[in-house]
Amino acid sequence: AQTVTQSQPEMSVQEAETVTLSCTYDTSESDYYLFWYKQPPSRQMILVIRQEAYKQQNATENRFSVNFQKAAKSFSLKISDSQLGDAAMYFCASAPSDSNYQLIWGAGTKLIIKP
Amino acid sequence: NAGVMQNPRHLVRRRGQEARLRCSPMKGHSHVYWYRQLPEEGLKFMVYLQKENIIDESGMPKERFSAEFPKEGPSILRIQQVVRGDSAAYFCASSPILNTEAFFGQGTRLTVV
Repeated sequence: AQTVTQSQPEMSVQEAETVTLSCTYDTSESDYYLFWYKQPPSRQMILVIRQEAYKQQNATENRFSVNFQKAAKSFSLKISDSQLGDAAMYFCASAPSDSNYQLIWGAGTKLIIKP
Repeated sequence: NAGVMQNPRHLVRRRGQEARLRCSPMKGHSHVYWYRQLPEEGLKFMVYLQKENIIDESGMPKERFSAEFPKEGPSILRIQQVVRGDSAAYFCASSPILNTEAFFGQGTRLTVV
């Protein structure tokens, strides 16, 4: 079975500091994508960052970057210079590259930003 | 360009009633995906539709659940004879073509009493 595990139900960080959210996954797919989504109180799922598994280079989007360790099946999200607006639930997900709507989701990590 | 619109945002139904959840995809998007989020869990894929066709319904419960995406109008997720276990947030997403970024709506929170 394909699974995504987020071992941190909740994390907190001081504003302007850096925080890393953990994610491990297991998949039988040879080609797949990995995602981090943000779900603020409005509930809308917002794509933060996407990584193609065949790419060695870690994806980066402004203050958000990932540490993708394919052999270890690890996909952590680093948020630099944390801002109050980053407070949300963060979900890690994986999907086959040929049908990436079939997302397998982790249970989420609640990120709290301390002012 | 308006985002993915779901309505209603909140829906309360008594056990045995029908629930109809609507999703209007973003303009120009013909691929629609439905997901369910149970409390304290991530989303689970239910069904993928493309105008008038169900492409993949591998995540749909076999009974009581159905989905459509007519030529005109929004996509509809229908749950017949709701039970307490159907209480969840139901999300719709859309994309212009397959395997590109899908944009999510704000979800419909269904409560069965």
